[in-house]
Amino acid sequence: DIQMTQSPSSLSASVGDRVTITCRASQGISNYLAWFQQKPGKAPKSLIYAASSLQSGVPSKFSGSGSGTDFTLTISSLQPEDFATYYCQQYNTYPITFGQGTRLEIK
Amino acid sequence: QVQLVESGGGVVQPGGSLRLSCAASSFTFSSYGMHWVRQAPGKGLEWVGLIRHDGSNKYYADSVRGRFTISRDNSKNTLYLQMNSLRAEDTAVYYCARRSPTGSDYWGQGTLVTVSS
Repeated sequence: DIQMTQSPSSLSASVGDRVTITCRASQGISNYLAWFQQKPGKAPKSLIYAASSLQSGVPSKFSGSGSGTDFTLTISSLQPEDFATYYCQQYNTYPITFGQGTRLEIK
Repeated sequence: QVQLVESGGGVVQPGGSLRLSCAASSFTFSSYGMHWVRQAPGKGLEWVGLIRHDGSNKYYADSVRGRFTISRDNSKNTLYLQMNSLRAEDTAVYYCARRSPTGSDYWGQGTLVTVSS
């Protein structure tokens, strides 16, 4: 199975900050990488697919990059509604696997 | 608006069975593969399995293979997850999600399964 490792596991930031979350795959996955946002008690929300393509309706403050094994999610100008847990997911190979999550908290 | 609504969760004893449903609306259900993903209390997301749009192929996580079965009825726009030989570690919120060219783009609200005596 492909292991997905996110860093950091948690992150404190302030409103207006720009943050970057990293996701590393244990083997190459081309660009078959997605990012999700999840708020407490809610279903995950798709943000990015194919490593860097923005899901319809997602603001451009979210951006993704990377290919192969190393990927990043960047969120610019943090707003209160952005504080949530973020997950990466590889869908290159079955079984599909998720990172362990990055909890983004308000400083 | 695409909608996915899970149902069928509840409390079941270890070793028991449960069938979850996911009712789809406002899109051509028979054209899309569908995932099941679960989340144990306070934990991260775990992919459970996928069924292709026509049911021709199914894929499962090792943790559920041989115990869980994914099926679908395209005439009823409904996805199913039959769960047998349930264990305490299967306790989770279960989500269905649509598989599209843009990834897992729509998710249901989830249904809670609790395995406990």
